[in-house]
Amino acid sequence: AQKITQTQPGMFVQEKEAVTLDCTYDTSDQSYGLFWYKQPSSGEMIFLIYQGSYDEQNATEGRYSLNFQKARKSANLVISASQLGDSAMYFCAMRREYGNKLVFGAGTILRVKS
Amino acid sequence: DGGITQSPKYLFRKEGQNVTLSCEQNLNHDAMYWYRQDPGQGLRLIYYSQIVNDFQKGDIAEGYSVSREKKESFPLTVTSAQKNPTAFYLCASGGIGSYEQYFGPGTRLTVT
Repeated sequence: AQKITQTQPGMFVQEKEAVTLDCTYDTSDQSYGLFWYKQPSSGEMIFLIYQGSYDEQNATEGRYSLNFQKARKSANLVISASQLGDSAMYFCAMRREYGNKLVFGAGTILRVKS
Repeated sequence: DGGITQSPKYLFRKEGQNVTLSCEQNLNHDAMYWYRQDPGQGLRLIYYSQIVNDFQKGDIAEGYSVSREKKESFPLTVTSAQKNPTAFYLCASGGIGSYEQYFGPGTRLTVT
């Protein structure tokens, strides 16, 4: 079975600073994908970034990067230059490479301070 | 515009009544999914469908039913057998073989 653990219930960051949101995972699969989603107070789920288990380079999308450490089974999200609009709930998720089920962690609430 | 629509945004029902949540997509995706989110928690998979007229149970299917008569539509019925139906329900879709799932805006169901 796959499992996602996000150990930080809440985080604060000063505007314009970088922040790292932690995610560890557990799976016996060799091939899988890791995701980060952002959920603002409106409730919609916004896809941020994806990392395949065989990707050698860390994924980056604008101000988002995924620090993938396969041996440690961690997939931390790094947000650079935080903005007030980054305040939201962030979820780490995983799925088998060609599977259909996304397994989500419990989430981390991020608050950006001005 | 392409996307996923869920209606209504807020839904109120009396205990003991069945209620159907709508989910429509115009992204031409084969796969569709229903997730449930409780306050302060992550999403849990209720049902998913990879093709018309076929669907599979997720992790918490008890008390729910679905149908997939059209590629574009995947309605979820919350039956009176669901013991704790009050939650936020999110629908998603994705292409087969594609890694990304696109989510709708969600329906917040309150049962009293």
